[in-house]
Amino acid sequence: NAGVMQNPRHLVRRRGQEARLRCSPMKGHSHVYWYRQLPEEGLKFMVYLQKENIIDESGMPKERFSAEFPKEGPSILRIQQVVRGDSAAYFCASSDIGTAATEAFFGQGTRLTVV
Amino acid sequence: AQSVAQPEDQVNVAEGNPLTVKCTYSVSGNPYLFWYVQYPNRGLQFLLKYITGDNLVKGSYGFEAEFNKSQTSFHLKKPSALVSDSALYFCAVRDYNTDKLIFGTGTRLQVFP
Repeated sequence: NAGVMQNPRHLVRRRGQEARLRCSPMKGHSHVYWYRQLPEEGLKFMVYLQKENIIDESGMPKERFSAEFPKEGPSILRIQQVVRGDSAAYFCASSDIGTAATEAFFGQGTRLTVV
Repeated sequence: AQSVAQPEDQVNVAEGNPLTVKCTYSVSGNPYLFWYVQYPNRGLQFLLKYITGDNLVKGSYGFEAEFNKSQTSFHLKKPSALVSDSALYFCAVRDYNTDKLIFGTGTRLQVFP
């Protein structure tokens, strides 16, 4: 059973370009979380999705950021018109929610560098 | 709102000595608590969780955590630290209402030979 897969592992974008980060959850998992981690900082919650639904996007910046988790395919975190401050590691986690007691499993992350 | 606090940015311990990484929580209702470890340039790895039952929870790599309801704490412990335990440790709580996983700010554990 493959773990949570994120790609690309490293992404370099020029200011103003779009960044697309992909996350394939573990098999059978229907819940996905996205977190951002700045160097030497903790994990900041961004968004929580179920298939075709955004459950909680309270951590998402109001502009330029969006996320989806379609019925088929990976979850996508999209950052439009990237700026240098978007440079960070973005982690995806998935869980098979039967109850809130279920742990989430993390991918290796995508390290976005904006130049 | 549910939250966790990790009061120490860094913990230093000599190899072979016991280690403790502190975490306190604030929840309404029953807490679902987790510990994760992050090695450099890697994702987070699940260590252990407390849901209910025994206050002492055993997890991966010899780690354990003690749930203390009166002190609202969930400290991570290991009887004998290894240099390879050096990493960033995160405590987390599951929001009972939204299922959102909320992390503490992390504690960097440094184990010296």
